[in-house]
Amino acid sequence: DGGITQSPKYLFRKEGQNVTLSCEQNLNHDAMYWYRQDPGQGLRLIYYSQIVNDFQKGDIAEGYSVSREKKESFPLTVTSAQKNPTAFYLCASSSGQGYYRGYTFGSGTRLTVV
Amino acid sequence: EDKVVQSPLSLVVHEGDTVTLNCSYEVTNFRSLLWYKQEKKAPTFLFMLTSSGIEKKSGRLSSILDKKELFSILNITATQTGDSAVYLCAVGSMEYGNKLVFGAGTILRVKS
Repeated sequence: DGGITQSPKYLFRKEGQNVTLSCEQNLNHDAMYWYRQDPGQGLRLIYYSQIVNDFQKGDIAEGYSVSREKKESFPLTVTSAQKNPTAFYLCASSSGQGYYRGYTFGSGTRLTVV
Repeated sequence: EDKVVQSPLSLVVHEGDTVTLNCSYEVTNFRSLLWYKQEKKAPTFLFMLTSSGIEKKSGRLSSILDKKELFSILNITATQTGDSAVYLCAVGSMEYGNKLVFGAGTILRVKS
């Protein structure tokens, strides 16, 4: 079955550490996205990529970095510069061609700073 | 700045009640409005609306868009405990390709 896989489901980070969240899709989608979800704030866009080897900052990119070396993969690194990284992170993808159908979401990664 | 505002932020009802969730938006070059249901983790797609006045229905859920007044409503009739979730509204713009702007969500709790 096609879909998006995020790993790990839960992640604990010590202050000052960088961590990388994985996002892999086998839907052949061109576009991929990373969102952060905090209670009462909905989803806020961190980074997005419309095509391989290209990505754009979203509304809250500070303290995060991404790469898009393969169509299937869009990993997100939470760096030590991100001051409040505890949140639920959602990866999504969408087809850039033809009829626009919104996103397919992964199951998310819950990151906690300890 | 583009924005999507949902109301109410939270709602508690009893089984069998009918609820109406609201979503208003301001976005440059509107393309579509989408509703998602989020229970535990991944949001799941409910509706996509692009044209005013055309109601979309799926079982007890329905939604309609008013592009003149810039809002949409999501109705749920004969609510069940399984409808308890966060309902997210998102808007897409022609300016940004497939990027969506999300509202804060409405937390719905249905009591038995």
